[in-house]
Amino acid sequence: AQKITQTQPGMFVQEKEAVTLDCTYDTSDPSYGLFWYKQPSSGEMIFLIYQGSYDQQNATEGRYSLNFQKARKSANLVISASQLGDSAMYFCAMREGVVAGGGADGLTFGKGTHLIIQP
Amino acid sequence: DVKVTQSSRYLVKRTGEKVFLECVQDMDHENMFWYRQDPGLGLRLIYFSYDVKMKEKGDIPEGYSVSREKKERFSLILESASTNQTSMYLCASSVGPRQYFGPGTRLTVT
Repeated sequence: AQKITQTQPGMFVQEKEAVTLDCTYDTSDPSYGLFWYKQPSSGEMIFLIYQGSYDQQNATEGRYSLNFQKARKSANLVISASQLGDSAMYFCAMREGVVAGGGADGLTFGKGTHLIIQP
Repeated sequence: DVKVTQSSRYLVKRTGEKVFLECVQDMDHENMFWYRQDPGLGLRLIYFSYDVKMKEKGDIPEGYSVSREKKERFSLILESASTNQTSMYLCASSVGPRQYFGPGTRLTVT
């Protein structure tokens, strides 16, 4: 079974609109971390936002927020007021045991969503 | 700023060749990782290391090995390259939850 599911292979959004990118995850570990990365056409992976499983509030970083619904195992990324430069691949990722483990384990990634912002 | 560098952006090798991909980080991070990225599959973990000379298999280690002789350097080795190893290879490092990625090496095996 997939640990990270991104159901939107591609999305077209009008500039200045808000965007929600879906991500659901599967784990039985109570301690885990959820991440979103952006990958523009140049190829580098850019960290956007992080949510720990024990965090009480949804994470926010500028125009990015993570809509964390623990009971639904959902960690959707919300981009407010989209810009042309937001066009890229977006990956949701998870690491289990992250709070206790100190960060040694690798990330499990979803297959990504290709977001295109139209003027 | 954290900097993770990879030895090549593009590499073309022949089937059967031994291939070395090098990764260097400048932030004294304990943990380093190698992923491969293929269209429609996302990133998949090949190997990781949490200390010098220590290594752990990831999800797809077959056909690869790694070396970590110094803390700042983590090498991925393809002992005998095959065409199905044509891919984008991404290195990352971390000291806490967040991973910092290098620019990637696009390897083509012909």
